This record gives sequence, C-alpha cells and structure tokens, in this order.
Amino acid sequence: EDKVVQSPLSLVVHEGDTVTLNCSYEVTNFRSLLWYKQEKKAPTFLFMLTSSGIEKKSGRLSSILDKKELFSILNITATQTGDSAVYLCAVDGNAGNMLTFGGGTRLMVKP
Amino acid sequence: DAGVTQSPTHLIKTRGQQVTLRCSPISGHKSVSWYQQVLGQGPQFIFQYYEKEERGRGNFPDRFSARQFPNYSSELNVNALLLGDSALYLCASSWLAGTGELFFGEGSRLTVL
Repeated sequence: EDKVVQSPLSLVVHEGDTVTLNCSYEVTNFRSLLWYKQEKKAPTFLFMLTSSGIEKKSGRLSSILDKKELFSILNITATQTGDSAVYLCAVDGNAGNMLTFGGGTRLMVKP
Repeated sequence: DAGVTQSPTHLIKTRGQQVTLRCSPISGHKSVSWYQQVLGQGPQFIFQYYEKEERGRGNFPDRFSARQFPNYSSELNVNALLLGDSALYLCASSWLAGTGELFFGEGSRLTVL
C-alpha cells in the first residue's frame, strides 16, 4: 500500500522567515510526486516532480525530489501572510493520477 | 474558462440516508476523480473515471458508487450513510487519466447526523 508522510504537522513562522516542508513516501511504482496548497477548500497545484535532483521553482517557492532516499522538500522563502495554508504532498504510484496524499503541513505565517 | 464545479456546496443528512454529489469538469477534460477529505487529514482517493469508464477505485465500501456521463460530468453516490462519511468530497478533473496535474473543485461538505 502506498504511503506518504509529511512533517512537521504544523508550524508557525513570522513574515520574512524561510520554511522547509518535508514529504517522505513509499510507493510500489513511482510515477510522480505533486505538491498542492489548500487554503480553504480546493487544493491548488504547485509542482509536479518526476526526476531526482532537478529543482522546480516558482517565485518564492521551490521543490526538489530525491528518488533514492524517497523524499521531497518544499521551500518557501521570504514568507508572507498569504502563504498561510495547508500544504499537501501526493504521489502518483499506480495506474496514473490516482493520488495518495499525505496528511498535510499546516503553515501559519504571522505578520 | 470555468473551473471544476461541484454541487451542492453543503448538505446535511441523517444516518441511513443516501446522497448524490455532482461534478462538472473543466471544459475539454475527460477524466474525473473523486476524493474524500476528513477534517484534519489529506484527501483519500475514491474513484477515477475516464471516457465514462471506471479506471480505478480506492479502498471504500460498496456503499460508494459513481458514474460519468457522455458530457464528462460525474456523480458520486453514497448509500446508507454513516457518521464517518462526514467529510469534504472533492472532485478533480484532468485532460487525460494517466498523467498531469489534477484540477480540484471547491468540494461538497457533507455532514451526517
């Protein structure tokens, strides 16, 4: 059974801080790893990673995958209050797009 | 372009009742997936449909069923509701079933009393 574990469960930081969110996984047939941001209801797509060692970057957010050690990290630099959300990590490890999600990391950014 | 739309947004049912949730995918998307998200947890995969055929099913009892229509919209049905079925039900669409990002709707919040 595929498994995704995220850490920490939650964290509180101040604006301007840098945060690193962790995601480890166990899958039988790895296809991709995805990061989503969930502010209220609909998770919104951040990154999809398929290859080890290649950093994906979008503004202040970046992510990298290590397929040997089976983990990924999501970095957010110069955090803003608008970054407050639950960040979800998911793996696609089966027949395609049937994602296994982790429990999420709840990030709160204080002004 | 409209995103993934779901209805109803909120509903309250009692134990033993049946519920139908509806989802319209993004125009051009042929695959629809359903996820259940219990409060404080990550979403859990229920079903995936592509071109009106079931492509995958998660670890859910037979009380859960779904279908996809010729216009690619989808319905999720849950029979004999239990208290533990209370959750946010998310629909996601993608152009293909096999790869690429999923686009999620705002979800249907089901409360079972």
